[in-house]
Amino acid sequence: DAKTTQPPSMDCAEGRAANLPCNHSTISGNEYVYWYRQIHSQGPQYIIHGLKNNETNEMASLIITEDRKSSTLILPHATLRDTAVYYCIVRVVGTSGSRLTFGEGTQLTVNP
Amino acid sequence: GAGVSQTPSNKVTEKGKYVELRCDPISGHTALYWYRQSLGQGPEFLIYFQGTGAADDSGLPNDRFFAVRPEGSVSTLKIQRTERGDSAVYLCASSLTGTGVNYGYTFGSGTRLTVV
Repeated sequence: DAKTTQPPSMDCAEGRAANLPCNHSTISGNEYVYWYRQIHSQGPQYIIHGLKNNETNEMASLIITEDRKSSTLILPHATLRDTAVYYCIVRVVGTSGSRLTFGEGTQLTVNP
Repeated sequence: GAGVSQTPSNKVTEKGKYVELRCDPISGHTALYWYRQSLGQGPEFLIYFQGTGAADDSGLPNDRFFAVRPEGSVSTLKIQRTERGDSAVYLCASSLTGTGVNYGYTFGSGTRLTVV
């Protein structure tokens, strides 16, 4: 699976948009971009995924660049409960299963 | 159940002892994964089950680690002759299919193992 690069930490003011970048310059054509987050003392939580089109759900939006070498996770109105480590993962899905390869992620701190 | 359940939530054991960690996946989820997370690191893949069989055990660090899923539901991760370096949070996840393109995994809250 392709390697991803994320900033180790970011801060955001409560109520503002949080934009978390991810670089995946070696992504292959059959690899998806997934985002998970992990709140302290909990297991990772699925947020969103995409292949090449931008995606939006009730939690967040995912913007993938046209060349697919980077993406941005957007939390439109961050709350204190969004403080967590955010992981960007790219993976190919094959017949033998599809493990997630986590990096160290971005620690997002939402400040009041 | 509504989510992935892992028991115990905390386990303290002495070096050299044997431990078993249990995972109850979401009902109907055929794929089950074990991960290990050390402090300050992202989760590290250990093993993946599709049904009863281990489809990928390449992440198991050595032969002291073993996992089973005899009936395709509950899974047990077994660690023999525990070492202090085995101390970590052990996470279990399940999903509807092994290929899971359109399904995110659901993780449990983990078992925190401390080897003293």
